Amino acid sequence: NAGVTQTPKFRVLKTGQSMTLLCAQDMNHEYMYWYRQDPGMGLRLIHYSVGEGTTAKGEVPDGYNVSRLKKQNFLLGLESAAPSQTSVYFCASSKDRGPYEQYFGPGTRLTVT
Amino acid sequence: TQLLEQSPQFLSIQEGENLTVYCNSSSVFSSLQWYRQEPGEGPVLLVTVVTGGEVKKLKRLTFQFGDARKDSSLHITAAQPGDTGLYLCAGDLPSNTGKLIFGQGTTLQVKP
Repeated sequence: NAGVTQTPKFRVLKTGQSMTLLCAQDMNHEYMYWYRQDPGMGLRLIHYSVGEGTTAKGEVPDGYNVSRLKKQNFLLGLESAAPSQTSVYFCASSKDRGPYEQYFGPGTRLTVT
Repeated sequence: TQLLEQSPQFLSIQEGENLTVYCNSSSVFSSLQWYRQEPGEGPVLLVTVVTGGEVKKLKRLTFQFGDARKDSSLHITAAQPGDTGLYLCAGDLPSNTGKLIFGQGTTLQVKP
């Protein structure tokens, strides 16, 4: 039981390049989330999904796109990377809404030069 | 503007001291969670509080949810170096969208 996994763990991009971050969970959770974490700002929600085939915008969605074609996978895409997107990205999943625990992956450290 | 304000943002103390971290908002939450994050890892849930006035204890950690469900506190007794990390509070709004609102975090350093 791996929980939530993220690939890659580290990535360096040049401004304007694109990339996709992959998140996978093996807990059969309905809800999945993408956050970014910057110093002094806690975790900010980028996009989330309440089930297979659904996506919704979070607090800071601009510059990112997501897809949830399979229940266990949640992909985060950057079409044209900018230095402001340098951050640590975390994926999380939860069984349901409300007071349910969110399980986090180990994070992806992205640097855009 | 942060919907959940945590204070202090940084705390450095000696082993054996007590400390309290606060998480405050002007909004009412259905529930509030506390997570702990170690460097290079994702946050891990410590506790969830649901009822106004609720107090939960986890060994040397005591969590309290305010009566009005707008604030919470985390108290650590006799802190140990192993308590070092980033502590995050996260609230679930009554709109029940499935999203959590996170505070900006409190970095705790416990020196031996």
